[in-house]
Amino acid sequence: EAGVTQFPSHSVIEKGQTVTLRCDPISGHDNLYWYRRVMGKEIKFLLHFVKESKQDESGMPNNRFLAERTGGTYSTLKVQPAELEDSGVYFCASSQEGGTIYNEQFFGPGTRLTVL
Amino acid sequence: DQQVKQNSPSLSVQEGRISILNCDYTNSMFDYFLWYKKYPAEGPTFLISISSIKDKNEDGRFTVFLNKSAKHLSLHIVPSQPGDSAVYFCAACSNTGKLIFGQGTTLQVKP
Repeated sequence: EAGVTQFPSHSVIEKGQTVTLRCDPISGHDNLYWYRRVMGKEIKFLLHFVKESKQDESGMPNNRFLAERTGGTYSTLKVQPAELEDSGVYFCASSQEGGTIYNEQFFGPGTRLTVL
Repeated sequence: DQQVKQNSPSLSVQEGRISILNCDYTNSMFDYFLWYKKYPAEGPTFLISISSIKDKNEDGRFTVFLNKSAKHLSLHIVPSQPGDSAVYFCAACSNTGKLIFGQGTTLQVKP
């Protein structure tokens, strides 16, 4: 079974440009999370989808970030316009729905975003 | 305000010895904790977890201890192996399912 995949693995853009990150969760996983790790610090929560609905977007830094999950399958995270402080590694994770909230989250390899 | 803290950025141990990684948290409402392991250029992978109703959980060479009164947990790896060299993240699971991570501790196990 394929794990969580993310595309691209690495993106280098100029300040002010737009970048779209994509995450494909494990098939059948209704929960999809986005996290970010900046400059070797802690991994910070950005938002949580349950199917196509945003369950919690309390970690989104500002309105330059837009996440979507149309159809409840893959998700995209768009940064427009990108700023220097957006540089970091963006991780996506997915988990099954139902039972307990402590369902294991499986992480993708991350997208390393560099804003110059 | 960081709710989960790992105050040691790095740890170096000799192969075969014990590795002890520490983690502190501030929110007494947290009731489930996890350790994730991360290799370079990979995403974090789940290692072991513990519920607040327990004070110890063991899985092979890995044991997690929880001290609720001190709001402290630790991960013990015995015996340590070179393949254990990685970044270890402590995390608390909120009641909405999101994970709140510490900064990570880089473990180096020397042959």
